[in-house]
Amino acid sequence: GESVGLHLPTLSVQEGDNSIINCAYSNSASDYFIWYKQESGKGPQFIIDIRSNMDKRQGQRVTVLLNKTVKHLSLQIAATQPGDSAVYFCAETPDKLIFGTGTRLQVFP
Amino acid sequence: GEEVAQTPKHLVRGEGQKAKLYCAPIKGHSYVFWYQQVLKNEFKFLISFQNENVFDETGMPKERFSAKCLPNSPCSLEIQATKLEDSAVYFCASSQWDRGGYEQYFGPGTRLTVT
Repeated sequence: GESVGLHLPTLSVQEGDNSIINCAYSNSASDYFIWYKQESGKGPQFIIDIRSNMDKRQGQRVTVLLNKTVKHLSLQIAATQPGDSAVYFCAETPDKLIFGTGTRLQVFP
Repeated sequence: GEEVAQTPKHLVRGEGQKAKLYCAPIKGHSYVFWYQQVLKNEFKFLISFQNENVFDETGMPKERFSAKCLPNSPCSLEIQATKLEDSAVYFCASSQWDRGGYEQYFGPGTRLTVT
């Protein structure tokens, strides 16, 4: 069936470095994509979204890139901080959200 | 309110017992979604509501799961005769729009443990 998947289950970065989290999706009908951050014991927190008619969107310290040709989504976090440590999920939707399996981001000093 | 509220935070049930979870969406949001997350893995969509009407129930195991969103009451998700495999964190989310044109805001979840 249709699914959203992540390439790396764990990403370790040094504080201050940039982080890149990747995601592959397979549903060509998806027209809206979201990145969520989930900290331990909490619900997913919205980070940034992008529509399929865009290929890049920037927020505060975060950038989402969308490559529809290869059905790839990435989240870039600039100057990664310890508070960025969490599990990151990409999600796609033509109607309901379909989540990937998550990537754990670990930030070390 | 400004946040999605879920109660209880933790729920322990013996196998075969009933479990009932509650969700209060953000005020003004007309769409409510329920998701199941097992072992920190991907979220499984269960059901969505537009106000009190079922919008999409394609993810619901209908033989034991049921859900309601009644006017002036928290939404609820009920599991009859729980099984060990129902152990998970159940998240509720609310949104102003069903197609994700507006992001879904998630509650803190209810951790259900079936023993």
